[in-house]
Amino acid sequence: DGGITQSPKYLFRKEGQNVTLSCEQNLNHDAMYWYRQDPGQGLRLIYYSQIVNDFQKGDIAEGYSVSREKKESFPLTVTSAQKNPTAFYLCASSPHTGGRETQYFGPGTRLLVL
Amino acid sequence: GQQLNQSPQSMFIQEGEDVSMNCTSSSIFNTWLWYKQDPGEGPVLLIALYKAGELTSNGRLTAQFGITRKDSFLNISASIPSDVGIYFCAGPNDGGATNKLIFGTGTLLAVQP
Repeated sequence: DGGITQSPKYLFRKEGQNVTLSCEQNLNHDAMYWYRQDPGQGLRLIYYSQIVNDFQKGDIAEGYSVSREKKESFPLTVTSAQKNPTAFYLCASSPHTGGRETQYFGPGTRLLVL
Repeated sequence: GQQLNQSPQSMFIQEGEDVSMNCTSSSIFNTWLWYKQDPGEGPVLLIALYKAGELTSNGRLTAQFGITRKDSFLNISASIPSDVGIYFCAGPNDGGATNKLIFGTGTLLAVQP
């Protein structure tokens, strides 16, 4: 089945540690996105990529990094510079780069800081 | 910057009741999307609207693209317990140039059997 997978479902990070969240899609979508969701809040854009080997910062990129070496993969690294990393992280992809915008989401990864 | 105001913030209803929620924007949108998020899961696209005045249904759900292009409405008829979740509206953040979306803060729906 086509879709977006995120792993792991839960991730624990120690203080000062970098962690990488995985996002893979087999939908052949060009664009991919990372969002952060905090309790009672909407989704905030961290990074997005419209094409392989290219990505742009979203609204809250500080303390995060990404790469887009393959069309189907868009991993997110939460660095030690992110002071409040505990949140629910959602990856999304989109088949269009303009026009009829529609994004499809993965199941999410919950990151907890120990 | 653009903002999406979604209301109500939460709703507590009895099974079988109809539900209405809306979303307003500070600027004109050319696309409106409605998502539902179950607890601990990613949002699922319910309905996509691309034309002012458009009325689209998906089962018991009906959404409308407001004539002013600054608002959208979602209605759920004859609610059932599995309708529980958070409903988000979303629209293009930059007129569609990059496919970026801005999301509302969500409407939490609770349905009592």
